[in-house]
Amino acid sequence: QVQLVQSGSELKKPGASVKVSCKASGYTFTSYGMNWVRQAPGQGLEWMGWINTNSGNPTYAQGFTGRFVFSLDTSVSTAYLQISSLKAEDTAVYYCARDSITTFDYWGQGTLVTVSS
Amino acid sequence: QSALTQPPSASGSPGQSVTISCTGTSSDVGGYNYVSWYQQHPGKAPKLMIYEVSKRPSGVPDRFSGSKSGNTASLTVSGLQADDEADYYCSSYAGSDVRVFGGGTKLTFL
Repeated sequence: QVQLVQSGSELKKPGASVKVSCKASGYTFTSYGMNWVRQAPGQGLEWMGWINTNSGNPTYAQGFTGRFVFSLDTSVSTAYLQISSLKAEDTAVYYCARDSITTFDYWGQGTLVTVSS
Repeated sequence: QSALTQPPSASGSPGQSVTISCTGTSSDVGGYNYVSWYQQHPGKAPKLMIYEVSKRPSGVPDRFSGSKSGNTASLTVSGLQADDEADYYCSSYAGSDVRVFGGGTKLTFL
């Protein structure tokens, strides 16, 4: 069965970097793109962008350029989200979600990133 | 890209039906039949309930249905059950590999 398993919670200081992983199983990793979605505390879902797992080409949503980087390691069927120069407002749960072209059909369990001094 | 517009809350009694709207523009909801709906319980990951406006993934009860008219999509939950209390989000393809979510609707029982 399809599973997306994300790395555990992170506590970081302002200015630090964090790398969140999303390991896929149960399907051919390079056949589906991977999206990243942010959910700040008490807030709604926000699409951050996606990465083409076949070409490695990322697409970033408005507001998620510069400090946010999507990457892949196809040898271990894993997608990564790296955020640099962390700010308090980056505190959120970050989800990966498989891209079925027309929808996000499977989601990871989410990774809480807390930015606090 | 602006978020799609959803009512912040909706409510209904057990067994009744409730409809949640999702309003966009001709560049997203109105321009493509790629509207999805997700259910999210507190502390849990979102779950796909409806895709391509009205299709249900395997395992989703037929009490959940979707439709679209112009720039507004709708999710209807019939025969409300306790487990239906959750947040619901719509999303749409918006062209050029861009996706957009709605602000979310909290569904509660009266």
